[in-house]
Amino acid sequence: AQTVTQSQPEMSVQEAETVTLSCTYDTSENNYYLFWYKQPPSRQMILVIRQEAYKQQNATENRFSVNFQKAAKSFSLKISDSQLGDTAMYFCAFTLPRETSGSRLTFGEGTQLTVNP
Amino acid sequence: GAVVSQHPSRVICKSGTSVKIECRSLDFQATTMFWYRQFPKKSLMLMATSNEGSKATYEQGVEKDKFLINHASLTLSTLTVTSAHPEDSSFYICSAEGHLNTEAFFGQGTRLTVV
Repeated sequence: AQTVTQSQPEMSVQEAETVTLSCTYDTSENNYYLFWYKQPPSRQMILVIRQEAYKQQNATENRFSVNFQKAAKSFSLKISDSQLGDTAMYFCAFTLPRETSGSRLTFGEGTQLTVNP
Repeated sequence: GAVVSQHPSRVICKSGTSVKIECRSLDFQATTMFWYRQFPKKSLMLMATSNEGSKATYEQGVEKDKFLINHASLTLSTLTVTSAHPEDSSFYICSAEGHLNTEAFFGQGTRLTVV
């Protein structure tokens, strides 16, 4: 079974600064996908960024980037130039390829990020 | 991205009654839908996976007779909480994926309160 661990229940950052959220996972599989989701107070789950395990290059999406360390089973999210709208709960998630288990996600416990003005 | 609509967004029901939550894929055919439960300030826990036209697969510890899932069409899955009790109060979220999707898309969630 796969597990996902987020060891930072809460974090805060000043507006315009950079913050890194940590995530580690455990799996015996070699091919899988990792995600960061954002859940604002509306509770809508919003995909922030996605990483395929077979890709060595770290994914980036505008101000969001990841540091994917496959050997260490680490998948951290860096948010640059933090904005007030980034305040939300962030979940790290894991899934095996669709043909294995569909897009059923295993989530970490979440990190509540607060961006302060 | 694709759109998944979940209804209702909030519902209050009395203990002992049943409540149905709908999850619709609006612009794609959802071959698989997932139902999650989220407690306050906690993570999402997968309850069950449903494939169109077949019985749902429930996760360990989830009562299939209490949480009835139906996926009768490629655009609609329903979760019925039967004989609801206050401990069933929670936030329920669905997600859906289709053949052409590279990921699952989430509905807005339903806050269920049983009084």
